[in-house]
Amino acid sequence: DAGVIQSPRHEVTEMGQEVTLRCKPISGHDYLFWYRQTMMRGLELLIYFNNNVPIDDSGMPEDRFSAKMPNASFSTLKIQPSEPRDSAVYFCASSFSPTMDEQYFGPGTRLTVT
Amino acid sequence: TQLLEQSPQFLSIQEGENLTVYCNSSSVFSSLQWYRQEPGEGPVLLVTVVTGGEVKKLKRLTFQFGDARKDSSLHITAAQPGDTGLYLCAAEGSSNYKLTFGKGTLLTVNP
Repeated sequence: DAGVIQSPRHEVTEMGQEVTLRCKPISGHDYLFWYRQTMMRGLELLIYFNNNVPIDDSGMPEDRFSAKMPNASFSTLKIQPSEPRDSAVYFCASSFSPTMDEQYFGPGTRLTVT
Repeated sequence: TQLLEQSPQFLSIQEGENLTVYCNSSSVFSSLQWYRQEPGEGPVLLVTVVTGGEVKKLKRLTFQFGDARKDSSLHITAAQPGDTGLYLCAAEGSSNYKLTFGKGTLLTVNP
């Protein structure tokens, strides 16, 4: 298996632009997670899905952020409009369960908003 | 909100030295995981502990879960440059079904 795939690996955009991050989870995993990592706040859970349904989006910072999972093999995290404070590394992870099983992380997307 | 405090935040040592890093909280954990993250990559699971007082060993790494399930430690014996990375602890609270991560300990092992 190729593991969790994320694209793009790097994204540089200007404030106010729309940003879409993409994730392909490991086949057979029922759970998909989106995290954001910064030096100040560490690794924060934004939202997670179970069988393509959003279960907990309490970590989504504000309405500018949205996430979708149209099928079991694809998810997007969209930021519109983007702001400089959104600059971070965004990780997608997948697993068989929300807590006890290993979460397999993708390589991350490094987002820079200027 | 469950808060995981990891210490030290940064640690730089020489190859061959021993070290211990800590993960503490005022909350009781249902389970706790340790991950290692290398530069430019996502975290990778090292171990999961679920029982108070549990000790698990992974080669030169020893993980201990506190008796009260509020804290954990990771001890590395004879550290090697390949141990360099960000060590993260993550825990599930008693009443929610998601992981909370600490900010991590950034370990550098110098040859």
